[in-house]
Amino acid sequence: LAKTTQPISMDSYEGQEVNITCSHNNIATNDYITWYQQFPSQGPRFIIQGYKTKVTNEVASLFIPADRKSSTLSLPRVSLSDTAVYYCLVGAFYNQGGKLIFGQGTELSVKP
Amino acid sequence: DADVTQTPRNRITKTGKRIMLECSQTKGHDRMYWYRQDPGLGLRLIYYSFDVKDINKGEISDGYSVSRQAQAKFSLSLESAIPNQTALYFCATSERTGMETQYFGPGTRLLVL
Repeated sequence: LAKTTQPISMDSYEGQEVNITCSHNNIATNDYITWYQQFPSQGPRFIIQGYKTKVTNEVASLFIPADRKSSTLSLPRVSLSDTAVYYCLVGAFYNQGGKLIFGQGTELSVKP
Repeated sequence: DADVTQTPRNRITKTGKRIMLECSQTKGHDRMYWYRQDPGLGLRLIYYSFDVKDINKGEISDGYSVSRQAQAKFSLSLESAIPNQTALYFCATSERTGMETQYFGPGTRLLVL
């Protein structure tokens, strides 16, 4: 099982770009990289998913180097409402033997 | 996500009691999951189901059981609740694809006295 390591917490200010890096040295060939956002007392919410190179959507960008041993979630111009815990997950269920592992996540605090 | 609902949203029970948490989804997804979350920790998988006839144990299935009554319904039972099962419980769903994006319910906060 691919284990992920990410910073426990990060601070930022409104309007800044935030980059959260996740290490996953044991990522398997079939694994995808997925990021979720969780607000207090709510279920996690999907942000972005990728396999390699760069993925961008209306919320964030995901950068994945060629060796796929790490990934970086980039949040452009954060606001106070981006204060949340961000989870990096590596894995897939489709092969029946895989599992999705939620680590401790990164608690992002955005200040005015 | 309003497409995934959980009942009850909050529950207080006593040690030794049997309790059932219910999850319903209108997304039409085949796959459903139960997680628990403890303060300061990430989510841990309890059970998951790929379709109505498929049930699989997750990381921490001891003390829990599940029932997949229909594609849209997945229930989690604590046969004899104990205080260390006090936690926030989440249900999630996903499509049968190679990219397992999961959609979570609002959670059930359970307190076992």
